[in-house]
Amino acid sequence: QVQLVQSGAEVKKPGASVKVSCKASGYTFLNYGLSWVRQAPGQGLEWMGWISAYNGNTHYAQKFQGRVTVTTDTSTSTAHMELRSLKSDDTAVYYCARDDGYCSSTNCYTNEYFQHWGQGTLVTVSS
Amino acid sequence: EIVLTQSPATLSLSPGERATLSCRASQSVSTYLAWYQQKPGQAPRLLIYDTSNRATGVPARFSGSGSETDFTLTISSLESEDFAVYYCQQRTTWPLGFGGGTKVEIK
Repeated sequence: QVQLVQSGAEVKKPGASVKVSCKASGYTFLNYGLSWVRQAPGQGLEWMGWISAYNGNTHYAQKFQGRVTVTTDTSTSTAHMELRSLKSDDTAVYYCARDDGYCSSTNCYTNEYFQHWGQGTLVTVSS
Repeated sequence: EIVLTQSPATLSLSPGERATLSCRASQSVSTYLAWYQQKPGQAPRLLIYDTSNRATGVPARFSGSGSETDFTLTISSLESEDFAVYYCQQRTTWPLGFGGGTKVEIK
């Protein structure tokens, strides 16, 4: 079954960077894109960015442009999200989420809906 | 960037009642809209995709409708486990985005 296992909670000081990882299993990693979504305490869901595991193409929310980088390591089926210049309002639970869809023997049909989510990683930014 | 606006922010209903949640897009998303349910301490759960298709394992009391800019999630008869926060999400164009959420609470 599809599993996305994220790295553990982090505590960072303002101005620092954080890198959260998301290890995938149970499917062919290259066939699906991955998004990063965050949720501040008591707030809604905020989409941050997406990466194609196949070719590394990325899309980012304008709010995070220049401050976030999403990468993949296909050798370990792991996605990473690095957020730099942290501020206190970056305190949130960060989720990875896989594109939905399916693969036949010859083609994959995927879409950017999120059936599978990681367990979330709490990042706390505090001086 | 497409902005999704959900209403109402909070819906207070009793078990057995019908819930109607709205999601309005700032421009057309065609039918590329999904709904998620989130309970405290849990990751969101995909309920509906492409406006009206139920995801695997989602009960038939959940249904979605709409097109272009106006969408509705209907829960025909609320069960105790349905009290949660619901989000809409569009995938028509980059950047992807979520609505602000509707909390369905017990009256």
